Amino acid sequence: TQLLEQSPQFLSIQEGENLTVYCNSSSVFSSLQWYRQEPGEGPVLLVTVVTGGEVKKLKRLTFQFGDARKDSSLHITAAQPGDTGLYLCSGAGSYQLTFGKGTKLSVIP
Amino acid sequence: DADVTQTPRNRITKTGKRIMLECSQTKGHDRMYWYRQDPGLGLRLIYYSFDVKDINKGEISDGYSVSRQAQAKFSLSLESAIPNQTALYFCATSELKSDPYFGGVAGELFFGEGSRLTVL
Repeated sequence: TQLLEQSPQFLSIQEGENLTVYCNSSSVFSSLQWYRQEPGEGPVLLVTVVTGGEVKKLKRLTFQFGDARKDSSLHITAAQPGDTGLYLCSGAGSYQLTFGKGTKLSVIP
Repeated sequence: DADVTQTPRNRITKTGKRIMLECSQTKGHDRMYWYRQDPGLGLRLIYYSFDVKDINKGEISDGYSVSRQAQAKFSLSLESAIPNQTALYFCATSELKSDPYFGGVAGELFFGEGSRLTVL
């Protein structure tokens, strides 16, 4: 079983601050996906990183895939209240996706 | 209309009752999944199906069963519900992508809006 350790589990910050969420594993993944979930809704894909060392940017969000394809990070610059939600990382292995336990982010105005 | 539709959205039932959660999709994907979400535990896979004739157990299948009635429909049943099955349940679909190392891997997951089940 492939496991993904996601940290921190909870994060409460002031508007304008920067933050980083980590997703680590001892297993190699084909790709790693980041999802965001808002209350009462299902998770929605933010980005997929495929190549070791890959960096993708989505406005104020920067995603990085580790060189060995075992870990990833999500960095948010100048967080906004609209960034509040549950962030989930997911690794694609053999035929299935493995999810981390999620990071619950609260951005206080 | 949503691409992945779950019914019911909310259900309260009693211990021992049989419950069915239904999922239908218009994505045209062969692969469908049922996940359970609990606070602090993330998303855990209950069952997944690669096509109508291929159904597989996930990490927490005990106490659950599934039926893939058609490519677009995948239902989850709790034969005799118990309180610790109280949770938020998600159906999801995906395409299959090829990978030179892993063979077939799941692509992006498209989730339904969830079914909140409470077992008293």
